[in-house]
Parts: sequence; C-alpha cells; structure tokens
Amino acid sequence: EDKVVQSPLSLVVHEGDTVTLNCSYEVTNFRSLLWYKQEKKAPTFLFMLTSSGIEKKSGRLSSILDKKELFSILNITATQTGDSAIYLCAVEPNAGGTSYGKLTFGQGTILTVHP
Amino acid sequence: KAGVTQTPRYLIKTRGQQVTLSCSPISGHRSVSWYQQTPGQGLQFLFEYFSETQRNKGNFPGRFSGRQFSNSRSEMNVSTLELGDSALYLCASSLVLASTDTQYFGPGTRLTVL
Repeated sequence: EDKVVQSPLSLVVHEGDTVTLNCSYEVTNFRSLLWYKQEKKAPTFLFMLTSSGIEKKSGRLSSILDKKELFSILNITATQTGDSAIYLCAVEPNAGGTSYGKLTFGQGTILTVHP
Repeated sequence: KAGVTQTPRYLIKTRGQQVTLSCSPISGHRSVSWYQQTPGQGLQFLFEYFSETQRNKGNFPGRFSGRQFSNSRSEMNVSTLELGDSALYLCASSLVLASTDTQYFGPGTRLTVL
C-alpha cells in the first residue's frame, strides 16, 4: 500500500519568514511526486518532480526530490499572508494495472502566515 | 482554456437517498479521477475513467460508482447515503496520464448528509 507522510501537520509563521515543508513516501513503482496548494476548494498544482536532485522553482516556491531517501521538501521564502493554505504532497505510481489515475496523498500541512 | 468544472457545488441529502455528481474535464483531457476529501481521512482515491472505461478503483464500497461519457464528462453516484459520506468530492482530469501529464482538480462538490 502506497503511503505519504507530511510534516509538520501545521505551521504558524509571520510574513517574511521562510518555511520548509516535508514529505516522505513509500510507493511501488514510483513515477512522480506532486505538490498542490489548497486554499478554499480545488487543490491547485504547484510542482511535479520525477528526477532526484533537480530543483523545481516558481517565484518564491521551490521543491526538490530525493529518490534515494524517498523524500521531498517544499520551500517557501519571504512568506506572505496569501501563502496561507493547506499544502498537499502526493505520489503517483507508473500507469498500468491497478495504478491508473491514482494519486496517494499525505495528510497535508496547514500553513498560516500572520501579517 | 476553461478548467475542470463540477456540479453542483453544494448538496444536502438525507440518509438513504442517492446522489449524482458531475464533472466536466478540461477540454482535450480524457482521463478523469475522483477523490473524496474528509477532515479525518484526507484525500482518498475513488476511481479513474478513460475512454468510458473504469481503469482503476479505490477501496470504497460498491455504493460508490461512476461512469464516463464519450465526451469525457464523468458522473459519480453514491447510493444509500450514510452520514459518513459527507465530504468534499473532487474530480481531476489529465490528458492521458503519459509521463508528463498532471492531474488538475475541479472546485469540488460539498456533500452534506443529514
């Protein structure tokens, strides 16, 4: 059974702080790891990581994958109140058999950024 | 390009009733996956459809079913509703789940069972 564990479960910071969110996983036949941000309803896609050691970056957000240690981190620098959300990590196995379309999600990290 | 749309956005039902939720994927996307999100269990995979065929199913009872139409729109049905079915139901679409595909989520349908 695929498994994803995120830490911390919640985090409260002030604007300008830098945060690091963690995601560890166990998956049979790994294809990719994804990060999503969920504010009100729909999780919105942030990053897809497939290769170890290659940093994906978008503005103040960045993420990296360690396939040897089965671990990923999501960094947010110079946090803003608009970063307050639930950050979800998910793993996707290679398509085929009983794996089509199935993302296994972690519990999420609730990030609260105070002004 | 319009995103994934789901209807209705909110629904209130009573125990024992059945419900049908609808999902229209992003234009050109052919794979639709459904997820249930609850505070206790988080996001859990329900099933995935591609070309009108269910290719994968999560660990949910048979009361949960779905289908996909030729235009890739999908519906999911829950029969004999239970209080524990109260949740946010999300659908996600992707092109065809090739190596670079990503699942994009709709806004969800909030189902409350009384």
